[in-house]
Amino acid sequence: GDSVTQMEGPVTLSEEAFLTINCTYTATGYPSLFWYVQYPGEGLQLLLKATKADDKGSNKGFEATYRKETTSFHLEKGSVQVSDSAVYFCALSDNPGGYNKLIFGAGTRLAVHP
Amino acid sequence: DGGITQSPKYLFRKEGQNVTLSCEQNLNHDAMYWYRQDPGQGLRLIYYSQIVNDFQKGDIAEGYSVSREKKESFPLTVTSAQKNPTAFYLCASSLGGGNTGELFFGEGSRLTVL
Repeated sequence: GDSVTQMEGPVTLSEEAFLTINCTYTATGYPSLFWYVQYPGEGLQLLLKATKADDKGSNKGFEATYRKETTSFHLEKGSVQVSDSAVYFCALSDNPGGYNKLIFGAGTRLAVHP
Repeated sequence: DGGITQSPKYLFRKEGQNVTLSCEQNLNHDAMYWYRQDPGQGLRLIYYSQIVNDFQKGDIAEGYSVSREKKESFPLTVTSAQKNPTAFYLCASSLGGGNTGELFFGEGSRLTVL
């Protein structure tokens, strides 16, 4: 079945460092791809999304490009801040256009230090 | 403000007791979902509902039950049959068919079995 694999955390960075969190997926069709973020003690919020190959999603300085040839959707940010400390989840929707049973990766915890 | 409200935020249960977690949304969304979050395992789908009076099992439905009597409400009951109920439970909702997969999450309910 469909699945999402993320790099294991925690990822620890200094403020203003470059961030990459790897995400690869397995899907039989053409899924939509998402990054969600979870701040401590809260639910998840959509960070960005891409619905077809070569689309780039972006928000709050974060970017991810839907790469069908490598089945990847890596999250990047050029300069992280302490406020970016959170858990990041990569997800896919295996029924775009229908009801959304999102399949999530295990999450990657990011800790940014001053 | 529109959103999803989960209650209670923290809940303690003795073994053998059933507990019900509340989820209410005022986003006028057709679909609602319950996920369970365990450390290092990401989110797993328990139940989902596409319309009122209809719901389907997710990947880990055993030991749980739900109802969808109103569009705004999707309560989850954790029964005594659930062998390992201690977890963080997240409720979510989405628009009906035709959307691109965004889920809106509540802030979660943390259940601890004593």
